[in-house]
Amino acid sequence: DGGITQSPKYLFRKEGQNVTLSCEQNLNHDAMYWYRQDPGQGLRLIYYSQIVNDFQKGDIAEGYSVSREKKESFPLTVTSAQKNPTAFYLCASSGTGDIYGYTFGSGTRLTVV
Amino acid sequence: AQTVTQSQPEMSVQEAETVTLSCTYDTSENNYYLFWYKQPPSRQMILVIRQEAYKQQNATENRFSVNFQKAAKSFSLKISDSQLGDTAMYFCASSFFSGTYKYIFGTGTRLKVLA
Repeated sequence: DGGITQSPKYLFRKEGQNVTLSCEQNLNHDAMYWYRQDPGQGLRLIYYSQIVNDFQKGDIAEGYSVSREKKESFPLTVTSAQKNPTAFYLCASSGTGDIYGYTFGSGTRLTVV
Repeated sequence: AQTVTQSQPEMSVQEAETVTLSCTYDTSENNYYLFWYKQPPSRQMILVIRQEAYKQQNATENRFSVNFQKAAKSFSLKISDSQLGDTAMYFCASSFFSGTYKYIFGTGTRLKVLA
């Protein structure tokens, strides 16, 4: 079945450490997105990519980095520069133009220990 | 600027009853699409229903339907015969076209279905 796979489901980060969240899709979607969700809050856009080897910053890109070397994959790195990384991270993908809506992964819960 | 507003942070409904979740938006664009997403306690976001702005007919998916009032820029979600499994956060979203599509989410409404 087609879909988006995020891993790991839970991730713990020590202070000063970089961690990478994985997002893979087999929907042949061109566009991929990373969102952050804090408890009881809506979604905030971190980065998005509409084609391979190209990506743009969203509303809260500071302290995060991404790559898009393959159409299927859009990993997110939470760097040590992100001072408050504890949150739920959602990856999504869509076909051209976002007109059919997003398909979301099941999310990664990141906690700083 | 385009905005999507959900003014009801929390709602509750008795099982088998009907509930309506409100969403308003603001845009000067003519080409856009509207969506409702459900986020149950598992936190997986699921697309519930989609409306094309150029279509006057309200979208329906089983027990879920929308009331799309384009002039009023309103896009409410009606859930009929509410079930316990409908307990979730519901997000309204829109994809506006202004050179490129820009996707905006509302802040969500937490719905609790009571037995």
